[in-house]
Amino acid sequence: EIVLTQSPATLSLSPGERATLSCRASQSVGRFFVWYQQRPGQAPRLLIYDGSDRATGVPARFSGSGSGTDFTLTISSLEPEDFAVYYCQQRRSWPLTFGGGTKVEIK
Amino acid sequence: EVQVVQSGAEVRRPGESLRISCQVSGYTFSNFWIGWVRQKPGKGLEWMGIIYPDDSDTTYSPSFQGQVTISADTSTNTAYLQWESLRASDTAIYYCTRLGADVGSYCGGDCYPPGDFWGQGTLVTVSS
Repeated sequence: EIVLTQSPATLSLSPGERATLSCRASQSVGRFFVWYQQRPGQAPRLLIYDGSDRATGVPARFSGSGSGTDFTLTISSLEPEDFAVYYCQQRRSWPLTFGGGTKVEIK
Repeated sequence: EVQVVQSGAEVRRPGESLRISCQVSGYTFSNFWIGWVRQKPGKGLEWMGIIYPDDSDTTYSPSFQGQVTISADTSTNTAYLQWESLRASDTAIYYCTRLGADVGSYCGGDCYPPGDFWGQGTLVTVSS
């Protein structure tokens, strides 16, 4: 099973600031990597797939990078609705696995 | 428009059985994998298993193998998650999601698309 480790667990930032979230895989997943956003009380929402492709309707301030074992999600300028928990997920092999999540909170 | 609608919250006692549902519309149900994801209170997301409705091909994560049953009914465009004997540790929100076959690159037999449409979640509470 591929283990995903997200860091940091919590990121305290102000609106307008840049957020950088990381995820490391225990073995290579190529570029078959996904990021989701989960707002409080809501279902997860697909943000980024295949490492860097934005899902339909996702604002351009969200970007993903990386391949192999190290991946980054960047939010260029935080909007109030971006304060949420972000999960990474690998889709390269079964079982599919999520990281533990990074909470982006208002400082 | 793709819609994924799950059944409502449930409260059961330990040892009881339960089946929750996930009904979809707006696309051809048979042609897309459906996955189930667990989220325990205040915790992260866990993949439980997936099903391909066209032929009911089902794969479970090792942690959930033998603990739950996933099924699908193509006549009603509905996927199900079932327990024979619930435990208090099954208390969680359960999400179903369509794996978007047209999202991302094909990556081989053991590789699956991302979840592009999600249900609203079903809260299952197991308590004596």
